[in-house]
Amino acid sequence: GAGVSQSPSNKVTEKGKDVELRCDPISGHTALYWYRQSLGQGLEFLIYFQGNSAPDKSGLPSDRFSAERTGGSVSTLTIQRTQQEDSAVYLCASSLRGPTYNEQFFGPGTRLTVL
Amino acid sequence: GDSVTQMEGPVTLSEEAFLTINCTYTATGYPSLFWYVQYPGEGLQLLLKATKADDKGSNKGFEATYRKETTSFHLEKGSVQVSDSAVYFCALNLNQAGTALIFGKGTTLSVSS
Repeated sequence: GAGVSQSPSNKVTEKGKDVELRCDPISGHTALYWYRQSLGQGLEFLIYFQGNSAPDKSGLPSDRFSAERTGGSVSTLTIQRTQQEDSAVYLCASSLRGPTYNEQFFGPGTRLTVL
Repeated sequence: GDSVTQMEGPVTLSEEAFLTINCTYTATGYPSLFWYVQYPGEGLQLLLKATKADDKGSNKGFEATYRKETTSFHLEKGSVQVSDSAVYFCALNLNQAGTALIFGKGTTLSVSS
């Protein structure tokens, strides 16, 4: 596609529910990244995929967070048993190859609100 | 550890004023440095970048010079416009396998006419 797309754009859920956030990277980009943007915390790195594998999961805040990428394209970030502190904007980015010297292009984000 | 520190906002300026947003970093090796901008209601966009010491990145009238001696990458613009109102993020890439961008907390710029 023309750019990185994410869905849904907004998600409101109740505490304890599971949510799935989707990212569709730019066609042909092999690397995909998830970040979280929350008030007072800035932008935090969550996880990075090279192809379908995730060499760096160091940013996932807890074992309630998981992500997968299939077919080297679409990625899904899943948050289980959501908590209020999970409320944030979740941003996805992709780059042509790995992070080294490659520009990352960002999607518009998914705003998650946990009530 | 590796980190980016940028000046706290908000920064409030009148149109045509000079802008500086300070950014300093701590990193091992030879990082690349970036400024990203987020306009209201939009996603992050790359504004400019520099990949090695003494490089100057520039775009849309904004400039930043990669200063290794002071570990800085300050963003400047000679004459801001109302349309520059946005949140600006300084970021670095360690350029090592398996790493992603490390961002500063962002600086909100508000320009009034």
